This record gives sequence, C-alpha cells and structure tokens, in this order.
Amino acid sequence: SAVISQKPSRDICQRGTSLTIQCQVDSQVTMMFWYRQQPGQSLTLIATANQGSEATYESGFVIDKFPISRPNLTFSTLTVSNMSPEDSSIYLCSVEGGRQSTDTQYFGPGTRLTVL
Amino acid sequence: GQSLEQPSEVTAVEGAIVQINCTYQTSGFYGLSWYQQHDGGAPTFLSYNGLDGLEETGRFSSFLSRSDSYGYLLLQELQMKDSASYFCAPGGRDDKIIFGKGTRLHILP
Repeated sequence: SAVISQKPSRDICQRGTSLTIQCQVDSQVTMMFWYRQQPGQSLTLIATANQGSEATYESGFVIDKFPISRPNLTFSTLTVSNMSPEDSSIYLCSVEGGRQSTDTQYFGPGTRLTVL
Repeated sequence: GQSLEQPSEVTAVEGAIVQINCTYQTSGFYGLSWYQQHDGGAPTFLSYNGLDGLEETGRFSSFLSRSDSYGYLLLQELQMKDSASYFCAPGGRDDKIIFGKGTRLHILP
C-alpha cells in the first residue's frame, strides 16, 4: 500500500484568494487523482494527473479554477483559485494501487477547506 | 450514462450480519470496489471484485454479478468500530472509479 500525505490538513481562506494543496506519495505512481467531498456527501472526481502530461478534468471542473501540477512521480499539487464559499469542502488526493487503478485506490488524509 | 444506487442508511445490531447492496451502470465496466470511511477520515479500500462471485477478507465479503450489474458488501460479526459510511465504486473507462453516495451504517449495542 502507498502512504500519502497532504498539506495543509485544513485552512480557512478569504473569498477571492487561492490555495495550493500538496500531495506527496512514498512511492512512484503513474496516476494521481484529485477528489472533492462536501460534508456528508460522496466523492467527486475533479481530475486525473499523470506525470508529464496535462491533467484530465471531469465535467464541471476547469483548469483555470483548479490548476494541477504533476512535476514527478511522487508529487502533485491542486490549486483552488479565486475561491468562493461554495468551494468549502474536503479535497483528497489518491493514487492507484493495483494492476489497474480501478482495482484499488489509496487516499491521502484530505485537506479541509473553509472559505469565508 | 452512469448510475449508481445503494441504500443511504442501514442499521444493525452489534454481532449481527449486514448486507449493503449496490446496483450500477457504468461504461466500460472493469470491476467493483468497496471503500469504508469513518467520520473525519479518508476512504480506505476494503475489497475489489473483478470477476463474478464472492471475495472474502476476514469479516468482510463482497459479491459481484456482472450480468445483473449488482454487487453487495457483507459485514459479519459487526463491531461498533464498523460504524462508518460504505461506498461502492465501479471502475470503468479511462481507469476511473465512480463513487456512490454511500451507505451510512449505524450499529446498535
């Protein structure tokens, strides 16, 4: 299994500002995923980040709002730009753990974001 | 299109057995995973079915029927620590998994 850390663990931000969330994995992985989970809700996939290529965004999420970096096989960042209260959520990164990413995903502890 | 159905809440008694059902419709279906999430925690992987049939891991078992687009998670000898949300997650195209809305499991002493 992979060990994943995220920074920050939580933050309170002002409307209109941006926050960059870091995700570090203890092993090299090809695919990293970023999810959003609002309280009491399911996980919604924001984008898939592969090293050396542009992130692939899901419907409803755009690069200008959620720019992602993937500089190497153990690290990724997600930026939440021009934040509004609707962006208040838990943001989680995950990595694949099986032969296919659909076998298993391991999740980081999450970043709890509150936008005032 | 894609759809995913699982009960929103289930209540069971400590020591009992509970089954959480999941029906899905996913393009390019690969297999079905189950995740557990305690309040304030991250989802943790429980089980994966790539083939029809039953997979057993300790007190947890998971079943898949591809022809019925149906699966379930079976939890035996329930313990209070099993109180959590359980997500079924079918894997499909582009190596993505889609999470259901989750089933909140309440365990009574």
